[in-house]
Amino acid sequence: QQQVKQSPQSLIVQKGGISIINCAYENTAFDYFPWYQQFPGKGPALLIAIRPDVSEKKEGRFTISFNKSAKQFSLHIMDSQPGDSATYFCAASTTGANNLFFGTGTRLTVIP
Amino acid sequence: DAGVTQSPTHLIKTRGQQVTLRCSPKSGHDTVSWYQQALGQGPQFIFQYYEEEERQRGNFPDRFSGHQFPNYSSELNVNALLLGDSALYLCASSLNPGAQETQYFGPGTRLLVL
Repeated sequence: QQQVKQSPQSLIVQKGGISIINCAYENTAFDYFPWYQQFPGKGPALLIAIRPDVSEKKEGRFTISFNKSAKQFSLHIMDSQPGDSATYFCAASTTGANNLFFGTGTRLTVIP
Repeated sequence: DAGVTQSPTHLIKTRGQQVTLRCSPKSGHDTVSWYQQALGQGPQFIFQYYEEEERQRGNFPDRFSGHQFPNYSSELNVNALLLGDSALYLCASSLNPGAQETQYFGPGTRLLVL
């Protein structure tokens, strides 16, 4: 079964808008939550990651919000740009096990 | 500094055949993980190699096997190919398998099974 559920499947945002992608998990042993960005023909690249001891992490235009009690986390992309058009994957893993469980991906399109 | 490299980039095989995919990790990395990414899906963990041994394995049959060499490069072998094995196979490298270090992915090998 899917250990990390991701929504929406696709997202269209105007340039300058905010893109929001949501993920939920069931396994409370997960303690590392990265987001990956994947362009066509490329492998996923780490964008930003968070651990459950903080509720928010910001790096430039990218912010992760984390809700431990709800077992949910989300990626916010502020001032979205056409160059942000890509597929975004949330993922999760546990300490001592470096294998990542990925969501199903969100295809983001930013319209100029 | 070379990142993760994979070969070949594309491959076409027929059902029942065997295939070998190759991966060279990022310089300085000693751990290699393999993932299968079906079209429109997220990557799924196959297995991880560290110190030339399989350390973790995902929910994949024994038809999927691997190897890590002393220089940390790795191979993924798939026997008795099925149509459902058609996917993008990603290699990721990292340092220290248990420390949740960032995994760096290669561009992948796209396998088509006919």
